[in-house]
Amino acid sequence: GNSVTQMEGPVTLSEEAFLTINCTYTATGYPSLFWYVQYPGEGLQLLLKATKADDKGSNKGFEATYRKETTSFHLEKGSVQVSDSAVYFCALRNAGNMLTFGGGTRLMVKP
Amino acid sequence: GAGVSQSPSNKVTEKGKDVELRCDPISGHTALYWYRQSLGQGLEFLIYFQGNSAPDKSGLPSDRFSAERTGGSVSTLTIQRTQQEDSAVYLCASRGGANTEAFFGQGTRLTVV
Repeated sequence: GNSVTQMEGPVTLSEEAFLTINCTYTATGYPSLFWYVQYPGEGLQLLLKATKADDKGSNKGFEATYRKETTSFHLEKGSVQVSDSAVYFCALRNAGNMLTFGGGTRLMVKP
Repeated sequence: GAGVSQSPSNKVTEKGKDVELRCDPISGHTALYWYRQSLGQGLEFLIYFQGNSAPDKSGLPSDRFSAERTGGSVSTLTIQRTQQEDSAVYLCASRGGANTEAFFGQGTRLTVV
């Protein structure tokens, strides 16, 4: 079956630090990959996506590259801000349109 | 509407009562998903609809849980004889055609006392 594994949080960083949140997946076929973000008190919203191998998704300074050889989709940002504090979810969608999420990683950025 | 709408936003119910949660997807979206998010936890898949049919019900935790979707639009998730462990935020998402993203509602926070 499909599964998504992401690093457990919380991840605590100082402002302007470099961020990496690891995500690996197991899936049959060629899934699409996503990062969703949930800001405090808000619903989930799509942050970025990649639909095929070697694609790079990017948004708001965040990036993630679809690595088929390592079945990974790690989220990175060069310089985090306090406003980036949120819970980040890695997800995949397979050919059957099933959306599978990882457990979420809480990021806390301190000034 | 402009986004996925869920109602009620909050529901407090007594143990043993039945509850109905409603999801209005974005107009024209054929795929609809229900998830459950317990406090501090990730998203637990419950059920997925494509149109009015549910190809995958494997996530429903027990036979107290059921869901339906009519007219390819509104969906209701029903929990019978609620238990305290049912307390969670229930999230609905809808999606349009292929290679499109899923949009989430704000969720219904269910508290069973």
